[in-house]
Amino acid sequence: QKEVEQDPGPLSVPEGAIVSLNCTYSNSAFQYFMWYRQYSRKGPELLMYTYSSGNKEDGRFTAQVDKSSKYISLFIRDSQPSDSATYLCAMAEGNEKLTFGTGTRLTIIP
Amino acid sequence: NAGVTQTPKFQVLKTGQSMTLQCAQDMNHNSMYWYRQDPGMGLRLIYYSASEGTTDKGEVPNGYNVSRLNKREFSLRLESAAPSQTSVYFCASSDPGTGINQPQHFGDGTRLSIL
Repeated sequence: QKEVEQDPGPLSVPEGAIVSLNCTYSNSAFQYFMWYRQYSRKGPELLMYTYSSGNKEDGRFTAQVDKSSKYISLFIRDSQPSDSATYLCAMAEGNEKLTFGTGTRLTIIP
Repeated sequence: NAGVTQTPKFQVLKTGQSMTLQCAQDMNHNSMYWYRQDPGMGLRLIYYSASEGTTDKGEVPNGYNVSRLNKREFSLRLESAAPSQTSVYFCASSDPGTGINQPQHFGDGTRLSIL
């Protein structure tokens, strides 16, 4: 079993819909949680960064962490075609090493 | 502000050839990393350097060597390329601060094919 599990998709939704992306993990020592967005033929770019449990909102994006369930989510409101990308979750215990999910490919249909 | 710059962007090698992938960052970060990204496998850490003069193995170090040339530059070398090393390679950097994990910033990758 991988330390971080992420549904690879692909996921296609109509423009304007709310998107929910999720990761589960098995290592209870993870305390830093990140979401990266990766466009085709580009490097991952940091989208959201949270520490411990709770919610964090940034514009149309909300990151949610539930440490008791070992489950993290990224919500995208009012989705746009420019949100079409692969979304990677990443986690760390507190040192510098990140453990990544495999990524979910998202397409927003105009 | 360029961030993390990787060269080359594309390369095709024959089995057994050697090659060095270059990475430079201009954010004055202490830590630098090399990852490979393969379909269905996500990003896997090859080597990392927590500071100038130090390097450590990651999850998949076999077949690779690294050099932290100075604070800005971190290179990855394939001494004898194998088809299994066909992948997209990403360099990243971060500034860990004082015991608190800081997010990593990535370059745009080197696409490497080994024939």
